Amino acid sequence: QQQVKQSPQSLIVQKGGISIINCAYENTAFDYFPWYQQFPGKGPALLIAIRPDVSEKKEGRFTISFNKSAKQFSLHIMDSQPGDSATYFCAARRRGRRALTFGSGTRLQVQP
Amino acid sequence: SQTIHQWPATLVQPVGSPLSLECTVEGTSNPNLYWYRQAAGRGLQLLFYSVGIGQISSEVPQNLSASRPQDRQFILSSKKLLLSDSGFYLCAWSPPGDRAGNTIYFGEGSWLTVV
Repeated sequence: QQQVKQSPQSLIVQKGGISIINCAYENTAFDYFPWYQQFPGKGPALLIAIRPDVSEKKEGRFTISFNKSAKQFSLHIMDSQPGDSATYFCAARRRGRRALTFGSGTRLQVQP
Repeated sequence: SQTIHQWPATLVQPVGSPLSLECTVEGTSNPNLYWYRQAAGRGLQLLFYSVGIGQISSEVPQNLSASRPQDRQFILSSKKLLLSDSGFYLCAWSPPGDRAGNTIYFGEGSWLTVV
């Protein structure tokens, strides 16, 4: 059972455009929602994270939007750059648990 | 600063052979340690985590085992590999104060192909 559904599987955006990646979850016990960025051949790196008590968190060009009632959260990359080309994973962690449940990933390609 | 080292980076092993992946963390004491697996085209799955020497928790039943013989050393093993064990294995750590695992730092990963 896939507890965190991520879409799209792949995304192509022009330089300067907005990249949007969506995730949906089912388990209301999730209380922490991080996004990870992974470049080819490398391990994932924490990009930004949000807790359900806020609806939006912004760090530079990266913004997480969180809709608790819809059980959805999304990553927005403003002014997308070719250097942003990577695979992005959303994740969620259950309250009191250690394990992160990851989405299946979105391969982002930003064209110059 | 803290660093995490994982090796080997790639390996090709025949079915039924043993496996040993090693991970060490430098620059911190008593880190929380994790082994994740990333199958091709899929997200990451937590296999094991450890909060201290000799303390191992398994998240999913499988053909693999983990050990933590030293504070900053984490080893992933198998006695007999299966084809389904192929994947990208990632060691990770989080600070000792981060019991919930909010901030996890991943290693470079090890590509395992079982043939």
